[in-house]
Amino acid sequence: DGGITQSPKYLFRKEGQNVTLSCEQNLNHDAMYWYRQDPGQGLRLIYYSQIVNDFQKGDIAEGYSVSREKKESFPLTVTSAQKNPTAFYLCASSTAPRTNFREQFFGPGTRLTVL
Amino acid sequence: AQTVTQSQPEMSVQEAETVTLSCTYDTSESNYYLFWYKQPPSRQMILVIRQEAYKQQNATENRFSVNFQKAAKSFSLKISDSQLGDTAMYFCAFMKVAGNTGKLIFGQGTTLQVKP
Repeated sequence: DGGITQSPKYLFRKEGQNVTLSCEQNLNHDAMYWYRQDPGQGLRLIYYSQIVNDFQKGDIAEGYSVSREKKESFPLTVTSAQKNPTAFYLCASSTAPRTNFREQFFGPGTRLTVL
Repeated sequence: AQTVTQSQPEMSVQEAETVTLSCTYDTSESNYYLFWYKQPPSRQMILVIRQEAYKQQNATENRFSVNFQKAAKSFSLKISDSQLGDTAMYFCAFMKVAGNTGKLIFGQGTTLQVKP
């Protein structure tokens, strides 16, 4: 089955630690995205990548880092510089916006809690 | 910068009835997409319906339809014959075509409760 997987589903982190969230897709999509969701708010874009070895900051990139070494994978690192990292994180992918774009497909999400 | 506003934080509807969720957006772009996504309690985001700005005809998908008013920058979602499985948070989202980034701008969401 084609789709997007995120792991782990739940993640606990101590203050001051970096943590990496995994996102993998087998949809052969060029573009991948990371969003953050807080209670009572919509999704906000952290980083996005339209092609391997290239990525751009979204609206709330401070305290986060990403890499895109493979088309299928777009891991997100939450660093100790992120002031309030407790949130629900969603990964998405899509075809390139100008290439028969239909929608962004979302993974099941990772709930990160800082203890 | 584009913004998306959903002014109804919570709504409820009786099963089999019709409900309309509101969404307004602000943009100077002429070519863009609009979306409604559903997030049930499982938190899996699912596309409900999409609208291309250059198309005047309102999109429909089975029980779901939109009222797209481009001049008013309004994009409401109508759910007919509501079902218990429609209980979810609904997000309106905007994506401009120019720049080819694929970035989605989301509204704050509307929580819909369908009552038996």
